[in-house]
Amino acid sequence: AQSVTQLDSQVPVFEEAPVELRCNYSSSVSVYLFWYVQYPNQGLQLLLKYLSGSTLVKSINGFEAEFNKSQTSFHLRQPSVHIRDTAEYFCAVSNTGGFKTIFGAGTRLFVKA
Amino acid sequence: EAQVTQNPRYLITVTGKKLTVTCSQNMNHEYMSWYRQDPGLGLRQIYYSMNVEATDKGDVPEGYKVSRKEKRNFPLILESPSPNQTSLYFCASSASRGVGETQYFGPGTRLLVL
Repeated sequence: AQSVTQLDSQVPVFEEAPVELRCNYSSSVSVYLFWYVQYPNQGLQLLLKYLSGSTLVKSINGFEAEFNKSQTSFHLRQPSVHIRDTAEYFCAVSNTGGFKTIFGAGTRLFVKA
Repeated sequence: EAQVTQNPRYLITVTGKKLTVTCSQNMNHEYMSWYRQDPGLGLRQIYYSMNVEATDKGDVPEGYKVSRKEKRNFPLILESPSPNQTSLYFCASSASRGVGETQYFGPGTRLLVL
């Protein structure tokens, strides 16, 4: 069975500092990997995803994540966070042959001035 | 505007009183899904639908029903709600089977069962 572990439930950070949100998954088959972001009182929206090809994927607002197959990880990084990045971030995995997506428990990112 | 809508956004009800949460998408998506979000547990899939008249159970289907009679609508039915179904519910849709496709989420329905 697949599972997703987000290692930090909350991450406080000062504005303009770098941050890494950690995600590890377990699966016996090939996977697709996603990061979704949930701003306060909103639904989730896709931040970035890995399907195949280059293991480093980037979003339009400076976030990036690297697929590491040997470590079964898909950590999310932002070199310089902004107040507006305060949100909950969810890592998710789906296998290439099924219909389901499994979500992690989420990481709350607090960006302080 | 492409979107997924849910109604109602907030609902307070009592144990055993049947309720329906509606979900509609205007993107002609084949795949639709219901999730519940609980603190510390993330999102857990309740039911999903691959297309009209094609639904299947997710990880936590007990106490819920769904139907998919039209492509755009995917209502979630709680026949006899119980307090452990108090949660935040999200409907989502994607263009095809869902695997590898981006899911588009509705704004959420916050349900309190007394």
